[in-house]
Amino acid sequence: GDSVTQTEGPVTLSEGTSLTVNCSYETKQYPTLFWYVQYPGEGPQLLFKVPKANEKGSNRGFEATYNKEATSFHLQKASVQESDSAVYYCALGPHQGGSAKLIFGEGTKLTVSS
Amino acid sequence: AQTIHQWPVAEIKAVGSPLSLGCTIKGKSSPNLYWYWQATGGTLQQLFYSITVGQVESVVQLNLSASRPKDDQFILSTEKLLLSHSGFYLCAWSPYWGAYEQYFGPGTRLTVL
Repeated sequence: GDSVTQTEGPVTLSEGTSLTVNCSYETKQYPTLFWYVQYPGEGPQLLFKVPKANEKGSNRGFEATYNKEATSFHLQKASVQESDSAVYYCALGPHQGGSAKLIFGEGTKLTVSS
Repeated sequence: AQTIHQWPVAEIKAVGSPLSLGCTIKGKSSPNLYWYWQATGGTLQQLFYSITVGQVESVVQLNLSASRPKDDQFILSTEKLLLSHSGFYLCAWSPYWGAYEQYFGPGTRLTVL
C-alpha cells in the first residue's frame, strides 16, 4: 500500500541554520504531495502542496521539490527562526480520482533555539 | 472566508461512557468533510470522510461512528468509550472532490480514564 517515511526526529537547530526534513513515499499512483505544520495544541496547517512531478512548492521560506524519480519530497529552509519550532508532516494524496485519503508521515519535531 | 469550529475543546470521560464530538464549517457550501485521530506525539490517521449530507465512508475501524446531519456539520460518536480512544480528534474540510488539500480545525482533546 501507499506509505510515507520522514526524517526521524526530533531535530534541534540554532536560529539561522538550515533545515532539511527528508520525506520519501511509495505509491503505484500518481500522487499529490503536501507539507503540513502543526504547532502545539493546534490542528495542522497546510504549508504547501505540489501536484506535479519536478515542480517546487514554497511558503514562508520553506520549499520542497517533488522528485518523481527519487520518490522524494524533502522540506528545506535556508535559515530557521525560533517561531519555526513545530512538528512537520509530509503527506501523500491522490492526483485524481480515487478516495480522498491523505496518508501522513510520522512527523518531525523541530525545535529552534535562539 | 471559511471557518471551522470544533466542540468541545476538551473532554474527560470514563471508560464505557458515550461520546459525541462535533464540527461545523461556515462559509463553504457542500464541503468534503473528514475526521482524523491523533495519538499524543503521533501522526494523523483518517477515520471517516463525507462528500455530502447523509453519506459517510469509514476509512478505519476504531469502534467509532460518524454522521453528517447537515451540509455544514459532521459528528463523531460512540456509545462506549475505550481507553484507546484517548487522543486529539481533528475535523478537516476540502473544497470539492478532487481538491486533495485539506484544512484542519482546532481539534478536540479527549482523555478517557
